[in-house]
Amino acid sequence: LAKTTQPISMDSYEGQEVNITCSHNNIATNDYITWYQQFPSQGPRFIIQGYKTKVTNEVASLFIPADRKSSTLSLPRVSLSDTAVYYCLVGDKAGSARQLTFGSGTQLTVLP
Amino acid sequence: KAGVTQTPRYLIKTRGQQVTLSCSPISGHRSVSWYQQTPGQGLQFLFEYFSETQRNKGNFPGRFSGRQFSNSRSEMNVSTLELGDSALYLCASSFRDRDKGYTFGSGTRLTVV
Repeated sequence: LAKTTQPISMDSYEGQEVNITCSHNNIATNDYITWYQQFPSQGPRFIIQGYKTKVTNEVASLFIPADRKSSTLSLPRVSLSDTAVYYCLVGDKAGSARQLTFGSGTQLTVLP
Repeated sequence: KAGVTQTPRYLIKTRGQQVTLSCSPISGHRSVSWYQQTPGQGLQFLFEYFSETQRNKGNFPGRFSGRQFSNSRSEMNVSTLELGDSALYLCASSFRDRDKGYTFGSGTRLTVV
């Protein structure tokens, strides 16, 4: 399982763009990069998943450089409700659920 | 579209008792996995089921068990509860291809007193 490293915490202000970077130096060829968001006392919520280059959906963008050793989750124009813990996961899409190893994540605090 | 439903939402039990938690996955999802989340240990994998068969088991004692029914609903059971079993227990379901990752329920908050 590829180990991931993320900043422990980040602060931002409402309306700003937030970029959270995750390092995964030993990512394997079959591994995908997935980001989850978790609010207190709730289950993690899937945000976005990608393999290479750039993926965008209605809530976020995911930038993955050619070497795939890192990835950046971009949240445009954050609001107070985006305050949460964000987790970066790396694993084979077809692999076991055992690979859902959540690290300590990044606590994002959005300030007014 | 209904999400993953976990019941009960909150539970208080006494040491030594047993508890059964329930998880109903999203319709069409046949893979169900269970996790324990605590502030100190983070999110830890318990077990995974697919088509009523346990595919993987995490490093938890035998007091933790589970099963999956033919309609994909799953239950987990913890016997002889200990104070350290107090945690948020999360269930997740997914399609086989996992293009949308895993969908988690809101969890069951278990407090052992």
